[in-house]
Amino acid sequence: KNQVEQSPQSLIILEGKNCTLQCNYTVSPFSNLRWYKQDTGRGPVSLTIMTFSENTKSNGRYTATLDADTKQSSLHITASQLSDSASYICVVRSGYSGAGSYQLTFGKGTKLSVIP
Amino acid sequence: DGGITQSPKYLFRKEGQNVTLSCEQNLNHDAMYWYRQDPGQGLRLIYYSQIVNDFQKGDIAEGYSVSREKKESFPLTVTSAQKNPTAFYLCASSIGGWGSSTYNEQFFGPGTRLTVL
Repeated sequence: KNQVEQSPQSLIILEGKNCTLQCNYTVSPFSNLRWYKQDTGRGPVSLTIMTFSENTKSNGRYTATLDADTKQSSLHITASQLSDSASYICVVRSGYSGAGSYQLTFGKGTKLSVIP
Repeated sequence: DGGITQSPKYLFRKEGQNVTLSCEQNLNHDAMYWYRQDPGQGLRLIYYSQIVNDFQKGDIAEGYSVSREKKESFPLTVTSAQKNPTAFYLCASSIGGWGSSTYNEQFFGPGTRLTVL
């Protein structure tokens, strides 16, 4: 069964500090992995997508990494800001092209709180 | 201004009533989805539609119904058969269904928070 596990469940950090969120998956075959940011009471917004051949990708202060061998991804936030307070959701797409057998598996998210 | 909209933002329902949540998109996307989000849980798929006049049940379809008469619209009805409907409901759309080669990403609406009184 495809599973996506995120850790920690919640995290509180001081403004200006860095943090790293983890996403481990047991999805097969892997197609891609996407990180979403979801502000409280809003819909998720895509931050970045990682494909099999990509190890690292940055989007401003957000840097995602992917280790396809260990089936792990991380999202690193640098110099956190109060506006980074949100839930971060990892979503993995699995399946084969052309067969229509793709699936999406959602993680439960990590709730990040940045405090002054 | 392209995007996906949901209405209302907040909805209150008495037990035994059916309610309909609206979802509209002007992104010209073929596929649309409904998810339910509960505290501490990941998004769970209720229904999805890959093309007009066609839709499929997701993981938790019981107590819900949908229609897809227009490409732009995918309303969700929460029926009285849904035992615990209080939740945050998210609608999403994508160019193609996640099983298609044209699929890129899902764009989410702002959500509707449904509370049963």
